[in-house]
Amino acid sequence: DAGVTQSPTHLIKTRGQQVTLRCSPKSGHDTVSWYQQALGQGPQFIFQYYEEEERQRGNFPDRFSGHQFPNYSSELNVNALLLGDSALYLCASSLGGGPVAFFGQGTRLTVV
Amino acid sequence: GNSVTQMEGPVTLSEEAFLTINCTYTATGYPSLFWYVQYPGEGLQLLLKATKADDKGSNKGFEATYRKETTSFHLEKGSVQVSDSAVYFCALRSTGNQFYFGTGTSLTVIP
Repeated sequence: DAGVTQSPTHLIKTRGQQVTLRCSPKSGHDTVSWYQQALGQGPQFIFQYYEEEERQRGNFPDRFSGHQFPNYSSELNVNALLLGDSALYLCASSLGGGPVAFFGQGTRLTVV
Repeated sequence: GNSVTQMEGPVTLSEEAFLTINCTYTATGYPSLFWYVQYPGEGLQLLLKATKADDKGSNKGFEATYRKETTSFHLEKGSVQVSDSAVYFCALRSTGNQFYFGTGTSLTVIP
């Protein structure tokens, strides 16, 4: 049983560019959440998708957007990249937004 | 609001030493509490959880008890191993579906 998979594992982008990160949830899970983990910090909640809709959002600007597909996989898009967007982006999946979430290995984004 | 405060690291222990990592929380409603572990270069792995007051979560020799009266969820292990070296995150999940994480505590166990 594959767990949560994320792609790519590493990415380098230039300021001002746009980036798309991808996540496939654990088999049987229908809810996907995205987190940003800056170096030396705990993960910060970006948003959550369930039934292809954004259900909850953290304190992130509109440059951060997402999408969930009918197969429950999800994308995180970040526009107009800033140096401060450099971080590990984690995807977490759960069933029905339940209390236990499984995390992927993350995508390391570096903005130069 | 919701927040988690955990003991700052780094923590360095000798193998077989006793481990305590302190975690306190502030929450609205009745949160579930979690400890996640992050090994170098990897994502987060659930270590243990407790969903109501006085519950004890346990896994791989680690334990934590949900203390509502002190709003705490301290992580303990009686005898650490080198393989326990990692960063440990305390987290809560209250009404709504998002996790609130502490800043993490880095643990290094030396032989």
